[in-house]
Amino acid sequence: EDQVTQSPEALRLQEGESSSLNCSYTVSGLRGLFWYRQDPGKGPEFLFTLYSAGEEKEKERLKATLTKKESFLHITAPKPEDSATYLCATSGGGADGLTFGKGTHLIIQP
Amino acid sequence: NAGVMQNPRHLVRRRGQEARLRCSPMKGHSHVYWYRQLPEEGLKFMVYLQKENIIDESGMPKERFSAEFPKEGPSILRIQQVVRGDSAAYFCASSPPGKHSGNTIYFGEGSWLTVV
Repeated sequence: EDQVTQSPEALRLQEGESSSLNCSYTVSGLRGLFWYRQDPGKGPEFLFTLYSAGEEKEKERLKATLTKKESFLHITAPKPEDSATYLCATSGGGADGLTFGKGTHLIIQP
Repeated sequence: NAGVMQNPRHLVRRRGQEARLRCSPMKGHSHVYWYRQLPEEGLKFMVYLQKENIIDESGMPKERFSAEFPKEGPSILRIQQVVRGDSAAYFCASSPPGKHSGNTIYFGEGSWLTVV
């Protein structure tokens, strides 16, 4: 059974304090790894898709990387508006649906 | 450029009533997915549909839940005889036509069901 584990569960940073969120996965035949951002009361907002180990993608203060066992979401010099829950999900193993982790709740304090 | 549209956004039902949640996919998308998010839990896949076809319903509870995506109109997730444990956020997502595995899927804003 596919598994996605995110750590830490919650993270509180000062504005400008860079850090990384981890997503460890076990899936047979990974077809894609996805990062989403979710604000309270809203739906997940797409950030990145990664397909193969070594791949990296960037968007503003966020950079996502992928290895054969885990993905990192690096956040550089975060701002309060980056506060959200960040979700990691995988596609693969012959399943039609994505397998989601429980998310990392990120708080950026001014 | 409308995204995935869900309604109602919030729905309150008494135990034993029926809940109907509607979803219109993004323009040009032909794959529709429903996910459920229970409090303090991650998103869980429920069902994957294409027009007039249920492709994968492996995540759907065996009883009381059904989904459809008719030739015309939105996709519908129907929950009969709701119980308190059905209270959750239900998210619809869609992806473009063609091979879907590995495709990015885009989510709607969700429908929050409260059963009282």
